[in-house]
Amino acid sequence: QEKVQQSPESLIVPEGAMSSLNCTFSNSASQSIWWYQQHPGKGPEALISIFSNGNKKEGRLTVYLNRASLHVSLHIRDSQPSDSAVYLCAVSPSSGSWQLIFGSGTQLTVMP
Amino acid sequence: ETAVFQTPNYHVTQVGNEVSFNCKQTLGHDTMYWYKQDSKKLLKIMFSYNNKQLIVNETVPRRFSPQSSDKAHLNLRIKSVEPEDSAVYLCASSWVDSDYTFGSGTRLLVI
Repeated sequence: QEKVQQSPESLIVPEGAMSSLNCTFSNSASQSIWWYQQHPGKGPEALISIFSNGNKKEGRLTVYLNRASLHVSLHIRDSQPSDSAVYLCAVSPSSGSWQLIFGSGTQLTVMP
Repeated sequence: ETAVFQTPNYHVTQVGNEVSFNCKQTLGHDTMYWYKQDSKKLLKIMFSYNNKQLIVNETVPRRFSPQSSDKAHLNLRIKSVEPEDSAVYLCASSWVDSDYTFGSGTRLLVI
């Protein structure tokens, strides 16, 4: 059974700073890795995904994947108070898998 | 814009009662899911429904059952709720191997 762990549990950064979130998974054969954002009282919303080793950049978001170390990170440049939310890492165990496996999230708070 | 609709938003009930939650998606996706989110924000898959095929997480208690009339609807029924069922239930839809679109969730409180 795939396991997904996230760190830190909680992160507080000042407005304008870089926010860095980490995720480790247990199976190097896992397919895509997804990052979701969840605001209070709302469902998770997909932000960005990555499949191949290396990095992927979309706007203020950059994702780094290293399959050898089973590690993926999300970096938010120029963090804004509106970025304050829970960030969830999710892994697709295999192609055609019927489920995403989620980590327990990182609570990000961006202070104005 | 929300394309996965869940009702009700919030439900309070007593131990032993039966409850049903509704979910509808307007995205034309071929797969729908139910997840349970606990107080620590951990999401656990409960059910997946694709092309009339139902996949059940073996850890889900038998008092939980999904109900689908077509690929756009996947409801969740809990027969005889227990205190540990208090949680947020999230419905989602997707194409296979694509990102999920979640609804806003149904928060259940069992007293």
